[in-house]
Amino acid sequence: DAKTTQPTSMDCAEGRAANLPCNHSTISGNEYVYWYRQIHSQGPQYIIHGLKNNETNEMASLIITEDRKSSTLILPHATLRDTAVYYCIASSNDYKLSFGAGTTVTVRA
Amino acid sequence: EAQVTQNPRYLITVTGKKLTVTCSQNMNHEYMSWYRQDPGLGLRQIYYSMNVEVTDKGDVPEGYKVSRKEKRNFPLILESPSPNQTSLYFCASSFMWDDNYGYTFGSGTRLTVV
Repeated sequence: DAKTTQPTSMDCAEGRAANLPCNHSTISGNEYVYWYRQIHSQGPQYIIHGLKNNETNEMASLIITEDRKSSTLILPHATLRDTAVYYCIASSNDYKLSFGAGTTVTVRA
Repeated sequence: EAQVTQNPRYLITVTGKKLTVTCSQNMNHEYMSWYRQDPGLGLRQIYYSMNVEVTDKGDVPEGYKVSRKEKRNFPLILESPSPNQTSLYFCASSFMWDDNYGYTFGSGTRLTVV
């Protein structure tokens, strides 16, 4: 799996968009970018994944740069319930995902 | 409701006393996996299974066993637990051949070995 680098923590304001960056400069052509989040010791929750096209679902949008070396997860209207640790994973094996330290996101009222 | 159910949620046991943590899913998922989570080490994969009777080691399999006799169940067995297996454990499942879905995780089992 390609190494991913995320900020340790970030704050965002409730109701505003939250933009979470992830660097994966050594990603290979067959590796997807996955995003999960974990709310306070609950089981992680799948958010979204993509290969090279931008993706959107009911939870978030994923923007992958054209060279695929970085991506951004966008939570369009952050709420207090979005406070969590967010994990960015780059992997070609969706049955051996490795979860790193992630970004602790705190949404403030 | 589609879910992954782990039991028990909390367990305190003594060194050397065999225990089993159960995991069951009701989504007909082929893939199931166990992770442990420790402070500063993130989530590490213990074992995974891609279908009935098919299991393989993850990154930290030592001291653990698993079995997959039925599609819905994937128990984690600690034959002789030791204090270094004190951790938060998560079971996960997903479809193997539909990449529109990610893993569904259980609520976790907090294990303390004294």
